[in-house]
Amino acid sequence: DSGVTQTPKHLITATGQRVTLRCSPRSGDLSVYWYQQSLDQGLQFLIQYYNGEERAKGNILERFSAQQFPDLHSELNLSSLELGDSALYFCASSPGDRISYGYTFGSGTRLTVV
Amino acid sequence: GNSVTQMEGPVTLSEEAFLTINCTYTATGYPSLFWYVQYPGEGLQLLLKATKADDKGSNKGFEATYRKETTSFHLEKGSVQVSDSAVYFCALSYSGGGADGLTFGKGTHLIIQP
Repeated sequence: DSGVTQTPKHLITATGQRVTLRCSPRSGDLSVYWYQQSLDQGLQFLIQYYNGEERAKGNILERFSAQQFPDLHSELNLSSLELGDSALYFCASSPGDRISYGYTFGSGTRLTVV
Repeated sequence: GNSVTQMEGPVTLSEEAFLTINCTYTATGYPSLFWYVQYPGEGLQLLLKATKADDKGSNKGFEATYRKETTSFHLEKGSVQVSDSAVYFCALSYSGGGADGLTFGKGTHLIIQP
């Protein structure tokens, strides 16, 4: 157990729908990062939050949004879902806002859009 | 922009063979370099890292040296075991506005046969 908890582990939904993925960071970590892993694109950085504020944006679509709450858990919202959004979505956390502090990944949420 | 290129595999070796997984990168500035490992059904785990040129990262018998002159960070292990079967990702960190994300290669699937 890495200490980073992601729920749900699996999600199947239809095109056009909206889903919310949840991440609880490791105790004491202030940063949360979201990544998408797909067969064609590989692992792509989506977005980072640090202590409730957005810190960095990667290849995140406008249909996707995220937030980090006062208790430091984070949610990734995916809307108007398309077949191509089917992927593994990973959350990672770190103590500070820099990679040098170390990353811990959760075991992911597998999203299937049908 | 930043990018990481690694051999995709699958790479199939016999137990106790010598392993090399090549990784080269393109980046501005001086990124930190990482190797992550992903076992089936799990999230990514940091295997080793190097933060500056000529640094050698090592862990669990794996080694990689940060070569700025060849922009490479090849992963090596002298004698692989069946338990090393996994997907290995090379990655670099970049900083934007004080925040960090990781750029990953596409991963190398390693299969070790007894």
